[in-house]
Amino acid sequence: SQQGEEDPQALSIQEGENATMNCSYKTSINNLQWYRQNSGRGLVHLILIRSNEREKHSGRLRVTLDTSKKSSSLLITASRAADTASYFCATVSRGANNLFFGTGTRLTVIP
Amino acid sequence: GAGVSQTPSNKVTEKGKYVELRCDPISGHTALYWYRQSLGQGPEFLIYFQGTGAADDSGLPNDRFFAVRPEGSVSTLKIQRTERGDSAVYLCASSLMTAEQYFGPGTRLTVT
Repeated sequence: SQQGEEDPQALSIQEGENATMNCSYKTSINNLQWYRQNSGRGLVHLILIRSNEREKHSGRLRVTLDTSKKSSSLLITASRAADTASYFCATVSRGANNLFFGTGTRLTVIP
Repeated sequence: GAGVSQTPSNKVTEKGKYVELRCDPISGHTALYWYRQSLGQGPEFLIYFQGTGAADDSGLPNDRFFAVRPEGSVSTLKIQRTERGDSAVYLCASSLMTAEQYFGPGTRLTVT
């Protein structure tokens, strides 16, 4: 079974707006990662945040992690039509190596 | 440079048949993973190799599923007596130890 739940399941915004996606998980983690998937294609790694980190930035992406609430958020600023995709959070549990994925958020950016 | 490749990209097979799905990881990546993704869901872990050995096969749904990586590079996922419920996209990923995983484009398996 999948570990994470993402919220919202779908999000539609205008180009230039910010998009925020949330992820909750269940067990203690080593790190949490965000991936992007275009329709019918493989997943692309976006950013990794370790359990002892609280916030991380990469370009237009900002990720936060709250281990006390077992939750993370991904913020995409100044969205573009090309950001349209599904976004998944995935956790690596302590002592493990495989990823447990959430259910994903389908983001649509309207030009 | 070359990423993770998977063949075939699409496979249609009849219920009860045997299929093999191949994964070529990024050169030098010691870790290799197989995941399965059903429509509208996130990928689900199947099996993880470290080198030639299966370090964790806890995600394999039953004994019809088996995977090998005999030389520590290419891996083959084998499914016996396929069922319609096996229809999904099978994803392979590779990585350097506990780092971000690089995914291949997947093999879409359809069991009719």
